[in-house]
Amino acid sequence: GNSVTQMEGPVTLSEEAFLTINCTYTATGYPSLFWYVQYPGEGLQLLLKATKADDKGSNKGFEATYRKETTSFHLEKGSVQVSDSAVYFCALIESGNTPLVFGKGTRLSVIA
Amino acid sequence: EPEVTQTPSHQVTQMGQEVILRCVPISNHLYFYWYRQILGQKVEFLVSFYNNEISEKSEIFDDQFSVERPDGSNFTLKIRSTKLEDSAMYFCASSPGTGSRSEKLFFGSGTQLSVL
Repeated sequence: GNSVTQMEGPVTLSEEAFLTINCTYTATGYPSLFWYVQYPGEGLQLLLKATKADDKGSNKGFEATYRKETTSFHLEKGSVQVSDSAVYFCALIESGNTPLVFGKGTRLSVIA
Repeated sequence: EPEVTQTPSHQVTQMGQEVILRCVPISNHLYFYWYRQILGQKVEFLVSFYNNEISEKSEIFDDQFSVERPDGSNFTLKIRSTKLEDSAMYFCASSPGTGSRSEKLFFGSGTQLSVL
């Protein structure tokens, strides 16, 4: 079946450091890929998405590129801020109306 | 900005007791969902609901679970006889009726259920 594997956390970085959170997937077809973020006390929010190979999703300085050859969708940000501290979830859907399949989430803490 | 609201944020119950988790989806949304995350594990799909009936459910969603939309605004998840392994964060979500539903999910902040 479809699955998502993301790097174990927690990840602790200093402000302005470079961030990478790895995500790889297993899917039978051509899924759409997502990163969701959960800030403390809030719900899961869509951060970015990519719907086909080589697409790059981007938002709030975060980027992720859909790599079909490596079945990966790694999240990157060039310079993190304290306000980026949150839990980040990688997810996929097989088609538009199938349920989201999530990874375990990676907690990021950014210290000043 | 409209949001999905879940109450309570934390629920503690005794094993074997019934518990109801409540959600208020975004008002013009038509599809409703429950997901859960057991500590240290993946966020898992439980059930989706549309037009007053279950449209899809996972193997986790067995006979001890039920969902209901008792009025025009609430969407509830009932666990009839809680077990220790039901302890998890439960997320409600909703999406509008147009386009690719799963790409337009809005999530609540979750209810942490602790079964003692």
